[in-house]
Amino acid sequence: AQSVTQLGSHVSVSEGALVLLRCNYSSSVPPYLFWYVQYPNQGLQLLLKYTSAATLVKGINGFEAEFKKSETSFHLTKPSAHMRDAAEYFCAVESGRTYKYIFGTGTRLKVLA
Amino acid sequence: EADIYQTPRYLVIGTGKKITLECSQTMGHDKMYWYQQDPGMELHLIHYSYGVNSTEKGDLSSESTVSRIRTEHFPLTLESARPSHTSQYLCASSESYEQYFGPGTRLTVT
Repeated sequence: AQSVTQLGSHVSVSEGALVLLRCNYSSSVPPYLFWYVQYPNQGLQLLLKYTSAATLVKGINGFEAEFKKSETSFHLTKPSAHMRDAAEYFCAVESGRTYKYIFGTGTRLKVLA
Repeated sequence: EADIYQTPRYLVIGTGKKITLECSQTMGHDKMYWYQQDPGMELHLIHYSYGVNSTEKGDLSSESTVSRIRTEHFPLTLESARPSHTSQYLCASSESYEQYFGPGTRLTVT
């Protein structure tokens, strides 16, 4: 069975600092992994995806994530946080080629001026 | 990129009323999904469809029902709303493994 764990429901960083949001997964098949961002009162927007191509994936808004099979991780990073990055971030794993997602519980990112 | 629409965006309704949340997409995607999201919680899949006349219940039990008569339209209906139905409902569609989300409907049942 597939599952996703996001460590840290709230993360605070200073503007200009490194952003690191953690996601660990478990999957019985090679996983497809996704990061989404959700701004207040909006739906989810896809940041980036891993579908078994390059392990380092670059997304929108300067975010990237690295798939590490040995660590079963897909952490999201951004070198320099901006105030507009403050939002909720969700990691998701596609559930065994069923086209369904399993979502993590989300991490709320706060960016301090 | 998909264009996916949900109406209404916000709805406050009394207990016992019948409501339908609308979801439409313009990209011709075969697969569509309804999720329920409570504040600070993950998204839970409540219904999905892989094509016209195909609907399935998701992982979270829900008293709602859905229909898929047209590819672009995937409405969700609650026959008798209750306060426990208060939540945000998100619709999504996909062609392959990448899902595109609508803006959501925030439902409050009083």
